[in-house]
Amino acid sequence: QKEVEQNSGPLSVPEGAIASLNCTYSDRGSQSFFWYRQYSGKSPELIMSIYSNGDKEDGRFTAQLNKASQYVSLLIRDSQPSDSATYLCVMTSGGYNKLIFGAGTRLAVHP
Amino acid sequence: EAGVAQSPRYKIIEKRQSVAFWCNPISGHATLYWYQQILGQGPKLLIQFQNNGVVDDSQLPKDRFSAERLKGVDSTLKIQPAKLEDSAVYLCASSPINYRVGYEQYFGPGTRLTVT
Repeated sequence: QKEVEQNSGPLSVPEGAIASLNCTYSDRGSQSFFWYRQYSGKSPELIMSIYSNGDKEDGRFTAQLNKASQYVSLLIRDSQPSDSATYLCVMTSGGYNKLIFGAGTRLAVHP
Repeated sequence: EAGVAQSPRYKIIEKRQSVAFWCNPISGHATLYWYQQILGQGPKLLIQFQNNGVVDDSQLPKDRFSAERLKGVDSTLKIQPAKLEDSAVYLCASSPINYRVGYEQYFGPGTRLTVT
């Protein structure tokens, strides 16, 4: 059973701090990884994708991938209360772009 | 560009009743997905269509769930008969046909099903 493991949280950080979200995955063959954000009562939305080892930056977000350790992380710099949401770590599996979701980490940014 | 449309947004039924959900993907998107998201969990893929063919239904409880995508456009997901554990949000997503690994999936607003 291919899995993605995340700490459910909540992860509480003060406004302006760096939030660090982590996950591990079981499928060594997975090539693509994503972070989706899901606000309460809403559907998931893609915020970052990463395909190769190393860091990828997009605005206040940095995704990090280490395939040898089967580890993915998301850093959110200058955290804002509007970043409070559940962050879903996702990997692809198989040849048809099937997504395997983690259970999500709830992030709470307090003023 | 219009997003993924789903209806109804909410549905309450009694156990053993049947229910159907509808999804219209983004125009031109060949791949359509149905997910089940139970409270506190990540979405779980139920079935994936590419055009009007099924490419993955390994986690679809086929004794009670069925889905179709006639003409390769919109899709319906049916549950018959429903059980209490089917209470969840049913999400539809679509993506363009693309053989590059990891193309973005766009999600609809979901249908919240409560089985009493």
